[in-house]
Amino acid sequence: QVQLVQSGAEVKKPGASVKVSCKASGYTFTSYGISWVRQAPGQGLEWMGWISAYNGNTNYAQKLQGRVTMTTDTSTSTAYMELRSLRSDDTAVYYCARGTTLPFDYWGQGTLVTVSS
Amino acid sequence: QSVLTQPPSASGTPGQRVTISCSGSSSNIGSNYVYWYQQLPGTAPKLLIYRNNQRPSGVPDRFSGSKSGTSASLAISGLRSEDEADYYCAAWDDSLSGIFGTGTKVTVL
Repeated sequence: QVQLVQSGAEVKKPGASVKVSCKASGYTFTSYGISWVRQAPGQGLEWMGWISAYNGNTNYAQKLQGRVTMTTDTSTSTAYMELRSLRSDDTAVYYCARGTTLPFDYWGQGTLVTVSS
Repeated sequence: QSVLTQPPSASGTPGQRVTISCSGSSSNIGSNYVYWYQQLPGTAPKLLIYRNNQRPSGVPDRFSGSKSGTSASLAISGLRSEDEADYYCAAWDDSLSGIFGTGTKVTVL
């Protein structure tokens, strides 16, 4: 069965970077892209962008341009999302999901990133 | 980046029908498919409706979706206690961005 398993919770200081991983199994990794969605505490869902696992093409949300980088390692079927220059409003649960466009049919379990001094 | 507008809350008693609206614009709902997700507390969103009105296998037919112009709606008929959750609409935008709704908390009274 399709599974996306994410790395564990992180606590970071303002200005630092965080890199979250998402290991896929149960399907051909390069046949689908991976999208990233985040959810601040008590808030709604925010689309962050996607990466094609086939050719590495990316599309980032405008508000995150310059701070986010999405990559993949096809040898391990793992996708990564790195966010730099962290601020307190980056505190959120970060989800990976299968697909470069809607619908995102399978989701990871989420990774809580807390930014606090 | 714009958002899709949903009512913050909706409620009903067991067995009732509840409808959630989702309002967008010509660049998102008006020209692209609408999707609906259910998010139970502490869990990842689950796809409920795709392509405006299609249900993935395993989703009860109590859930139905529709779209008209720049708005969409999700209906839950025969409301059950396990339907208590947050519901989000979503659509692709012509600016090549994914757009989510503001979310609706459904309470079963």
